[in-house]
Amino acid sequence: NAGVTQTPKFQVLKTGQSMTLQCAQDMNHEYMSWYRQDPGMGLRLIHYSVGAGITDQGEVPNGYNVSRSTTEDFPLRLLSAAPSQTSVYFCASSTGPNSLPSQYFGPGTRLTVL
Amino acid sequence: DQQVKQNSPSLSVQEGRISILNCDYTNSMFDYFLWYKKYPAEGPTFLISISSIKDKNEDGRFTVFLNKSAKHLSLHIVPSQPGDSAVYFCAVTLSGSARQLTFGSGTQLTVLP
Repeated sequence: NAGVTQTPKFQVLKTGQSMTLQCAQDMNHEYMSWYRQDPGMGLRLIHYSVGAGITDQGEVPNGYNVSRSTTEDFPLRLLSAAPSQTSVYFCASSTGPNSLPSQYFGPGTRLTVL
Repeated sequence: DQQVKQNSPSLSVQEGRISILNCDYTNSMFDYFLWYKKYPAEGPTFLISISSIKDKNEDGRFTVFLNKSAKHLSLHIVPSQPGDSAVYFCAVTLSGSARQLTFGSGTQLTVLP
């Protein structure tokens, strides 16, 4: 049971490039989310999904796309990277609405956009 | 406008003493409150939580207190250990919000041996 895994661990992009951050969980969790963490700030929600085929926007969705074709995977796509997207990205998963809302986080992807 | 505030960016405590971390929130509709611990280069890990129907929850050395009238949450660690040195985030959630968490900015706790 690997929990929540994220790849890559580190990535450097040039402005305008696109890329996909991968996230997978093997706990059969319905809910998955993407957060970003910037210095001096808490984690901010980018997008989330309540099940396969269902996604919605969080607090800071601009510049990011998501899709959820399977329960296990929830990739985050940067369409055209900007320096403002330099951050640490965390993926999280949790069980359904009838359970406690604690979320399990992956180890993070540190992204630098030059 | 920040809905969740942790006003102390850092806290230093001597080993064996009590650590008290604080968190304030603005929306009285929040109904579940959590604390996460984060070590460098790792994701946050869930520590302890409390629902709005309670005012205290204890788990070993960790106790969370909720003061709904003051919209204030605190985490007590007794006794503090060097391994507790980490960033602590409080988080809140709202019923019907699909379990989406709103985080405070975190407090760096350093426990001195």
